[in-house]
Amino acid sequence: EDQVTQSPEALRLQEGESSSLNCSYTVSGLRGLFWYRQDPGKGPEFLFTLYSAGEEKEKERLKATLTKKESFLHITAPKPEDSATYLCAVQHLTGNQFYFGTGTSLTVIP
Amino acid sequence: DTAVSQTPKYLVTQMGNDKSIKCEQNLGHDTMYWYKQDSKKFLKIMFSYNNKELIINETVPNRFSPKSPDKAHLNLHINSLELGDSAVYFCASSSRQGRYGYTFGSGTRLTVV
Repeated sequence: EDQVTQSPEALRLQEGESSSLNCSYTVSGLRGLFWYRQDPGKGPEFLFTLYSAGEEKEKERLKATLTKKESFLHITAPKPEDSATYLCAVQHLTGNQFYFGTGTSLTVIP
Repeated sequence: DTAVSQTPKYLVTQMGNDKSIKCEQNLGHDTMYWYKQDSKKFLKIMFSYNNKELIINETVPNRFSPKSPDKAHLNLHINSLELGDSAVYFCASSSRQGRYGYTFGSGTRLTVV
């Protein structure tokens, strides 16, 4: 069965304290893995797409990596404005199915 | 200019009522979606339309009926609302089967009392 698991559920960091969020997946055929950021009361905002193992993408303090079983979202020297829920989603090879994880709620304390 | 807009943002209604949520996108995308997000933040796809044609119809009660008058609009009509329908409903759009990610609306928080 295709599924996506994110860990931890919640993460509290001091400003400047780097860490990583994990997204483990099992899917019969992976077309792409997506990372989104969701702020309270808003829709998810697209961050990255990763298509093959070994691929990396960066945006400001965020870096996403992909292996055949999981993806990491590394946050370097986070700031309070990075506080949000980070969602991972995998797209099936057919292109018609997306499976979302339940997210990691990140809080960065000044 | 809002890329994907949903109305209303909040909807409070009684059990048994019928309600609609509207969605419009001005991005020129060819595919639109409805997602339901529960209290645990889990996003589950309900429907997907590509150029007005239904391509994904997950296991959703028949009380939910999507309607796409054109590729820029996808509305969701819900009959005989139940308490369990309370959730946040997100509309999203994409091009090329979502290869470059979705653009989500800001959500409609539905509360059934």
